[in-house]
Amino acid sequence: AQSVTQLDSQVPVFEEAPVELRCNYSSSVSVYLFWYVQYPNQGLQLLLKYLSGSTLVKGINGFEAEFNKSQTSFHLRKPSVHISDTAEYFCAVISFAGGTSYGKLTFGQGTILTVHP
Amino acid sequence: EAGVAQSPRYKIIEKRQSVAFWCNPISGHATLYWYQQILGQGPKLLIQFQNNGVVDDSQLPKDRFSAERLKGVDSTLKIQPAKLEDSAVYLCASERQKYNEQFFGPGTRLTVL
Repeated sequence: AQSVTQLDSQVPVFEEAPVELRCNYSSSVSVYLFWYVQYPNQGLQLLLKYLSGSTLVKGINGFEAEFNKSQTSFHLRKPSVHISDTAEYFCAVISFAGGTSYGKLTFGQGTILTVHP
Repeated sequence: EAGVAQSPRYKIIEKRQSVAFWCNPISGHATLYWYQQILGQGPKLLIQFQNNGVVDDSQLPKDRFSAERLKGVDSTLKIQPAKLEDSAVYLCASERQKYNEQFFGPGTRLTVL
């Protein structure tokens, strides 16, 4: 079985400050990792994903995440946030074998990022 | 490319009533998912379709929930009868086979009174 833990339920930050949203996962097999963003009253939008290759993954809107296999982490970072980044962020994991995912996409509880002026 | 469409966007019903949600996935996406997202939690998978066949419905409360995907395109999720704890956002997602990326619709917010 796989699971995802987002270590912070809420992260307040001032505009133009850096931010890190933390995500740890557990799984007995290899995994793909994802970060999604959800704006109020909208569905989830993919920010970035790690499937293989470089452990530093760059996504949309200036976000990036680093896959750390030894620490089973996939933290999301942005060097300078904007008011428009205020949203809820979800880390997710899915198992894979032979280059194809299988099983359920398992989500963390979410982290609400609030950017203050 | 049009995204995943869902309707209605909002629904308010009394407990014990029935409700149905509709989803139209992105054209060409063989896999379709229904998720339940309770306030303050991440989405939880209810059912996964591959074309018009069910791949995983292990977390679908089958005594009250049902879903179908006729002709492998549109899908309908039904709740009958609804309970208070069914209040949630119901998200539909679709995925092109083996691309490992799910695209989500805007969701249907259900309130059961």
